Amino acid sequence: EDQVTQSPEALRLQEGESSSLNCSYTVSGLRGLFWYRQDPGKGPEFLFTLYSAGEEKEKERLKATLTKKESFLHITAPKPEDSATYLCAVQAYSNTGKLIFGQGTTLQVKP
Amino acid sequence: EPEVTQTPSHQVTQMGQEVILRCVPISNHLYFYWYRQILGQKVEFLVSFYNNEISEKSEIFDDQFSVERPDGSNFTLKIRSTKLEDSAMYFCASSDLTGRGEQYFGPGTRLTVT
Repeated sequence: EDQVTQSPEALRLQEGESSSLNCSYTVSGLRGLFWYRQDPGKGPEFLFTLYSAGEEKEKERLKATLTKKESFLHITAPKPEDSATYLCAVQAYSNTGKLIFGQGTTLQVKP
Repeated sequence: EPEVTQTPSHQVTQMGQEVILRCVPISNHLYFYWYRQILGQKVEFLVSFYNNEISEKSEIFDDQFSVERPDGSNFTLKIRSTKLEDSAMYFCASSDLTGRGEQYFGPGTRLTVT
C-alpha cells in the first residue's frame, strides 16, 4: 500500500534557525513527489515537484531534495511568515494522478 | 495568476440533506480532483475526473457521492444524503494537459453537517 509519513509532526524554530522536515514514502513506482504549504483554513499551495532521486529544487528559503525512500524540505534562516503546515504527497505511476498525502509538519517560527 | 475557486466557502446542512459543492478549475486544465480533510487529519483523495468521466475513486466515494462537469467551467461534487461524518473541508484541484504534474488547489468549502 502506498504510504507517506512526515516527521516531526510539529517544529518550533527561532527566526534564523535553519532546520529540515522529513517525508518518508513507500509507493509502487514513484511518478512524482510534491511539497505543499497549507495555512490554517486554506487550501494547499503548491511549492515543488521532484521526479527522480538526486533531484533538488529551491525557492527562496526552501530547498527540497529527494532520495529513493525520502524527501527533505530544508528551511534556511526561516522568518515568521514561513509558519505553516508543510505537506508532502506522492503520485504513483499506477494511478490516474491521485495524490497520497502525509499528515504534515506544522512549523512555527518565532521572532 | 489563474486560480481554482470554490463556492460556498462554508456550508451548514442537516443530516440527510443533499449538498452541492462547486468549483471552477483553472481554465486550460483538463484533469479535476476532489479531496477532503477532516479536522486535524490528512488530506484524502476522493475522486479524479477526466474527459467527462470518473477515472479513479477512493473507497470514501460511495454511492452517496457524485461529480459532474455541467458546463465548460464548473465542476461539482454532490453528496446526496449527508451524514455527520461528512463534515470536513472539501478541496477541488486541477492539473494541466499532462495530468501528471502538480495539482492546484482551491481554498476549500467547509461543510458542517448537524
